[in-house]
Amino acid sequence: KNEVEQSPQNLTAQEGEFITINCSYSVGISALHWLQQHPGGGIVSLFMLSSGKKKHGRLIATINIQEKHSSLHITASHPRDSAVYICAAPRIQGAQKLVFGQGTRLTINP
Amino acid sequence: NAGVTQTPKFQVLKTGQSMTLQCAQDMNHEYMSWYRQDPGMGLRLIHYSVGAGITDQGEVPNGYNVSRSTTEDFPLRLLSAAPSQTSVYFCASSYEGYGYGYTFGSGTRLTVV
Repeated sequence: KNEVEQSPQNLTAQEGEFITINCSYSVGISALHWLQQHPGGGIVSLFMLSSGKKKHGRLIATINIQEKHSSLHITASHPRDSAVYICAAPRIQGAQKLVFGQGTRLTINP
Repeated sequence: NAGVTQTPKFQVLKTGQSMTLQCAQDMNHEYMSWYRQDPGMGLRLIHYSVGAGITDQGEVPNGYNVSRSTTEDFPLRLLSAAPSQTSVYFCASSYEGYGYGYTFGSGTRLTVV
């Protein structure tokens, strides 16, 4: 079993739909990261959160420490949101060495 | 522009050749790290550094060397390239300690034939 698991692995939706990507982890956690990898390959850090919820534009990330689960939501999805979304968590509480999920490939059709 | 600069973007090597992937950041980040990304697998940590003169191994260090002589630079050396090292390599940096986001380089696509 992977230490960080994402679901679904692939997601296709129509423009405007509400998107949810899930991340479950079994490692110790001090901060969970959500990353976006563009079709061209570049990786951008979206969120780092250790509790509660964070919002940036149409992106919302939540985390439940007790249940070891995090979700990334996209409201009013747009074709430019098409990318691979990756969650990552430190293997050891308080450390920086990250363990990555395999990613969720999101395709938003116009 | 502030960020992480990786070079080269593409490289083809023959088995047994050596090369260095360059990574430089201008944000005064203490923590720098190298990852490889292979199809069907998540990013995996190769080596990391928490400051100049300090490096340590990640999950998949075999066949790679690193050094950190300055805060800015963290090169990754392939000593004798093997086809199993065909991958996309990313460098990333962050302030030390948890609670900080990461900045990634644009990646190097390496093919070993």
